Amino acid sequence: KAGVTQTPRYLIKTRGQQVTLSCSPISGHRSVSWYQQTPGQGLQFLFEYFSETQRNKGNFPGRFSGRQFSNSRSEMNVSTLELGDSALYLCASSLTLMNTEAFFGQGTRLTVV
Amino acid sequence: GDSVTQMEGPVTLSEEAFLTINCTYTATGYPSLFWYVQYPGEGLQLLLKATKADDKGSNKGFEATYRKETTSFHLEKGSVQVSDSAVYFCALSMEYGNKLVFGAGTILRVKS
Repeated sequence: KAGVTQTPRYLIKTRGQQVTLSCSPISGHRSVSWYQQTPGQGLQFLFEYFSETQRNKGNFPGRFSGRQFSNSRSEMNVSTLELGDSALYLCASSLTLMNTEAFFGQGTRLTVV
Repeated sequence: GDSVTQMEGPVTLSEEAFLTINCTYTATGYPSLFWYVQYPGEGLQLLLKATKADDKGSNKGFEATYRKETTSFHLEKGSVQVSDSAVYFCALSMEYGNKLVFGAGTILRVKS
């Protein structure tokens, strides 16, 4: 079956702009989580969505937001981009909320200039 | 809060050498423990997991045992290959939800 699909794979944006990243989970999976990966901070949890509701949120400013659609696809949005937002953004899908295995996409590489 | 500490790298080994990557955790409850691997340009792949104390996770020759008394989950492999070169992440997840808390990652380089 198809894995987790993230689009686009690469993005270059200018400071102050906003960006939307997309994640299509594995068919049947209802939980989607987002992570930011940077050389300095490592892998940090952004948020988790299940049944179109945000269930958990990491310690990121309000510029970072997300949503989940009825088909479980998810988007995350970053507004007023800063240079420090340059990172690999990873999406993970899981079958349920109950601590099941997470399957990761290849990520979206965001560069802010 | 919950946290994971893993040994710093990079770790450089010759092919067929024995591998150990140390991982310890701090958690308020009873976490599940994971090892993920990331190859260049890729996302993370689950390597193995253990959900309770004394469980041993194993996959592709890698093993790790959940040690509650030492709050550790060290990764081992008896004979590494060049193809094992990657970044290895230790992680934990608490009982509810799928939030993963990751260690800093350990770069493994295997020379032929």
